[in-house]
Amino acid sequence: GQSLEQPSEVTAVEGAIVQINCTYQTSGFYGLSWYQQHDGGAPTFLSYNALDGLEETGRFSSFLSRSDSYGYLLLQELQMKDSASYFCAVREGNYGQNFVFGPGTRLSVLP
Amino acid sequence: NAGVTQTPKFRVLKTGQSMTLLCAQDMNHEYMYWYRQDPGMGLRLIHYSVGEGTTAKGEVPDGYNVSRLKKQNFLLGLESAAPSQTSVYFCASRRLSGWTESDNEQFFGPGTRLTVL
Repeated sequence: GQSLEQPSEVTAVEGAIVQINCTYQTSGFYGLSWYQQHDGGAPTFLSYNALDGLEETGRFSSFLSRSDSYGYLLLQELQMKDSASYFCAVREGNYGQNFVFGPGTRLSVLP
Repeated sequence: NAGVTQTPKFRVLKTGQSMTLLCAQDMNHEYMYWYRQDPGMGLRLIHYSVGEGTTAKGEVPDGYNVSRLKKQNFLLGLESAAPSQTSVYFCASRRLSGWTESDNEQFFGPGTRLTVL
């Protein structure tokens, strides 16, 4: 079966750097996505990694190691507005048509 | 461009009642998905569609049915609602698969908050 693991909560201060890890067990792996969700809102897309390595987009970076079934989201120069839940999601299925989401990590940014 | 819209935004049902949730997208996306999200949890896939006239089961399909008669619309039906179906329902769409990052972005609607008493 499929399973994804993430830390349930992470706390950091404004301006700091935080890393949110995701490990997965799945079949037919195509890639790993990250989504941000503020309380009461809809998930919004942050990144997608299909190949090993680090992808950088502004203050956010995402890393994937397919051999270790592991990825992480790195948030730099934390701001109060980054307080939200962050979900990793594996793209899988016979044709990569599905996504399986992790349980989410709640990030609290303190002043 | 409205993106992905969902109706209704809120609904309260009694056990045994039926209802249909409507999802519409104006981005000409091939893929559409229905997820449910329970408090403090991730999203779980209910059903999905890879194109007009096609649907398939996801991780938690029991108690739900779907239809995709038009490319832009994806309907989720609850035939006989149960308290266990109290949840927030999200619809999402994505364009046809590719290897670029943007091909793998799912666009989510604002959600429907459903309570079954």
